[in-house]
Amino acid sequence: GIQVEQSPPDLILQEGANSTLRCNFSDSVNNLQWFHQNPWGQLINLFYIPSGTKQNGRLSATTVATERYSSLYISSSQTTDSGVYFCAVEFQQGAQKLVFGQGTRLTINP
Amino acid sequence: DVKVTQSSRYLVKRTGEKVFLECVQDMDHENMFWYRQDPGLGLRLIYFSYDVKMKEKGDIPEGYSVSREKKERFSLILESASTNQTSMYLCASSPEGTAWRNEQFFGPGTRLTVL
Repeated sequence: GIQVEQSPPDLILQEGANSTLRCNFSDSVNNLQWFHQNPWGQLINLFYIPSGTKQNGRLSATTVATERYSSLYISSSQTTDSGVYFCAVEFQQGAQKLVFGQGTRLTINP
Repeated sequence: DVKVTQSSRYLVKRTGEKVFLECVQDMDHENMFWYRQDPGLGLRLIYFSYDVKMKEKGDIPEGYSVSREKKERFSLILESASTNQTSMYLCASSPEGTAWRNEQFFGPGTRLTVL
């Protein structure tokens, strides 16, 4: 069935480390977004990236639509990067809605 | 910057009460959405609206209704709150066009507890 799978489910790193979060999706997409959910529960937009590569400071994202995956790369991690990272997609086929992955919980220790 | 605000960060209600959750966006967005988020179940769509006075059911509309009388405001109503509606409620909005193809922006969320 239509799926969005994120890996790893949990990631614990020391401050200053780099990390790569992965989002695999089962079919062609019209929309793909990355969010960071902070400890207070707010979903913060990181990238709107149905294809291509974008960079914003220490964060960058790449979506390879033909291979059905997207990656979020965080360099020089800071404790404020902690939280849950979600990938969400809208599939070209099937019900029109944003389908969220289960998230990657990132913990950055000082 | 897009700003989506929700009327309360935390709310405690009693079973059977009628509950209103308000969401306001300031970017003249056409589309607005209500989700709930529960551990192990992720985010689930309750209702969405692509225009004033228009509404569409999402995946879990039972026990909820919505109201969109003005473009900037989308209200979620729990007609008779029950304990299984204890959850984090998230509102979102997106610009005009096909509702799901544009970037969605989320509010801070309302943590509702029903006793």
